[in-house]
Amino acid sequence: DQQVKQNSPSLSVQEGRISILNCDYTNSMFDYFLWYKKYPAEGPTFLISISSIKDKNEDGRFTVFLNKSAKHLSLHIVPSQPGDSAVYFCAASEGTGGFKTIFGAGTRLFVKA
Amino acid sequence: KAGVTQTPRYLIKTRGQQVTLSCSPISGHRSVSWYQQTPGQGLQFLFEYFSETQRNKGNFPGRFSGRQFSNSRSEMNVSTLELGDSALYLCASRRGGTDTQYFGPGTRLTVL
Repeated sequence: DQQVKQNSPSLSVQEGRISILNCDYTNSMFDYFLWYKKYPAEGPTFLISISSIKDKNEDGRFTVFLNKSAKHLSLHIVPSQPGDSAVYFCAASEGTGGFKTIFGAGTRLFVKA
Repeated sequence: KAGVTQTPRYLIKTRGQQVTLSCSPISGHRSVSWYQQTPGQGLQFLFEYFSETQRNKGNFPGRFSGRQFSNSRSEMNVSTLELGDSALYLCASRRGGTDTQYFGPGTRLTVL
């Protein structure tokens, strides 16, 4: 029962262009969403989050969009850089504390120079 | 501030054995969660401890267990190892009131 789905296992983008990573969820009780980035041999690192009361959150080159009616969120990286090449995990939870966080399977992003 | 540390980083065991993994959270973090990462499955939630109490549990068999000590350090134990237990085991810590988790580098377990 995958409550958080990342249907694209990999994505390849040219340096300088936009990277769009997608994530769908099934549990309507989720109200807090996060993106993590993971390099090989390292643990995931927090990238950006969004609460369900918002539909957009921006942090530098990274923007997360949330469409609650479609139960869909996306991460936009503009412009993409070779150092962005990593596995990106989408995660969701009920509330901002005290509840387990459910992760998607991850999308491997390749940014070509 | 030191990050989350996990020991050992790599481990090779054989079927039927048991293993104990250790996690030291960031200073001041009282919550520790454990995840299993396998190719194509992403991060599967195992359990979360807060102030020495298991607060949440994922859908794993009873062979997987954990505990947390008064200094917030946590251990995870897997008994009667199976080949399918080969994975990267990640530990994450956070302060009690926020949902941002900080991950350790993981322990790579290989079961032969």
